[in-house]
Amino acid sequence: GAVVSQHPSRVICKSGTSVKIECRSLDFQATTMFWYRQFPKQSLMLMATSNEGSKATYEQGVEKDKFLINHASLTLSTLTVTSAHPEDSSFYICSARERTSGTTRSYEQYFGPGTRLTVT
Amino acid sequence: QKEVEQDPGPLSVPEGAIVSLNCTYSNSAFQYFMWYRQYSRKGPELLMYTYSSGNKEDGRFTAQVDKSSKYISLFIRDSQPSDSATYLCATNTGGFKTIFGAGTRLFVKA
Repeated sequence: GAVVSQHPSRVICKSGTSVKIECRSLDFQATTMFWYRQFPKQSLMLMATSNEGSKATYEQGVEKDKFLINHASLTLSTLTVTSAHPEDSSFYICSARERTSGTTRSYEQYFGPGTRLTVT
Repeated sequence: QKEVEQDPGPLSVPEGAIVSLNCTYSNSAFQYFMWYRQYSRKGPELLMYTYSSGNKEDGRFTAQVDKSSKYISLFIRDSQPSDSATYLCATNTGGFKTIFGAGTRLFVKA
């Protein structure tokens, strides 16, 4: 159980184009999804938190107009990198928090396999 | 000062060794403590999950939390080459945001 998928697994795009990454919880409902960025040999940097049906909350320093997040349903969130540039090349990982009630497990999050974005 | 400090390593051990991975944290409000394992070019997977202080054991893995010293540990017994990965500690106050350590790269040599 608790499987999160991401699509695509890797994408190469030209500078100036936009790229959409999908994150899906396959066997559970996720009220909250998180988007992270990870540079080589570095830890996860939280970009934004999204709750189903509401606007995403972005971390300080993350451009909301550049990284558009949509949490359309309890099983799907998308991250769109608009007008991508080479400095946006990175490993993007989503995670999802399962909707549970009254248990400590509600603070666990399950990660997708990541998307490797390369902007040329 | 980072909220969670973790030595990035790398840590190299022979097969069968006991591995000790550690983190320290600064915020006494943290209540939930997790260890994630991340293989190269993959997303992290939850290994162990502990609430408040104490020990938790799962097979060859033992997680330990000492809230008095703000110290988190993960022990791996009888380490295997397949344990070679990056291990990330993480903490949460119970809210939405989880704070991750930098991750320790572990290599287990056959």
